[in-house]
Amino acid sequence: AQSVTQLDSQVPVFEEAPVELRCNYSSSVSVYLFWYVQYPNQGLQLLLKYLSGSTLVKGINGFEAEFNKSQTSFHLRKPSVHISDTAEYFCAVSSSGYSTLTFGKGTMLLVSP
Amino acid sequence: AAGVIQSPRHLIKEKRETATLKCYPIPRHDTVYWYQQGPGQDPQFLISFYEKMQSDKGSIPDRFSAQQFSDYHSELNMSSLELGDSALYFCASSPRDGGYGVLTFGAGSRLTVL
Repeated sequence: AQSVTQLDSQVPVFEEAPVELRCNYSSSVSVYLFWYVQYPNQGLQLLLKYLSGSTLVKGINGFEAEFNKSQTSFHLRKPSVHISDTAEYFCAVSSSGYSTLTFGKGTMLLVSP
Repeated sequence: AAGVIQSPRHLIKEKRETATLKCYPIPRHDTVYWYQQGPGQDPQFLISFYEKMQSDKGSIPDRFSAQQFSDYHSELNMSSLELGDSALYFCASSPRDGGYGVLTFGAGSRLTVL
């Protein structure tokens, strides 16, 4: 079984400030890790993914995440956020060989001027 | 580029009624997934299909059933609707080979049960 913990349900931040959204996972097997973003009244959009290789992965809209196996973490970062980044962010995990995703509870990123 | 198409986008039903949601995956995607997202909740996996066969099953109630057809579209049938079934239902698709969780989601179907 696998699970994902997103430690913050809501993260308020000012525009142009850096942000980190935290994600920890647990799994008994190797995993693939993902961040999805959900804008209001929209579907889920893939931000970035870690399948293998370099532990620092870059995604769309200037986001990046670092896979840390020893700490079982996959935190999402952006050096300077925009108002348009206001959305719900979901960390997700899938087991190697399977595509079914297990999502975390989500973190609402609130960017204010 | 073609995306995952879901219909209807909004649906209002009474308790104990039946509802059917449809999903049209991206062309050449042979795997379809259904997720349920309650208000303020994370998406919960319901069921998936690969090549018209059920490939994985999550927390899908017995009142719900789903299938994938020969053209790869999928339908989620929900019967004896309850107030708690009110949610956003997402369909997602991926290619089996190299999918590895890279799912493309539709915009969702919002079901409201009164």
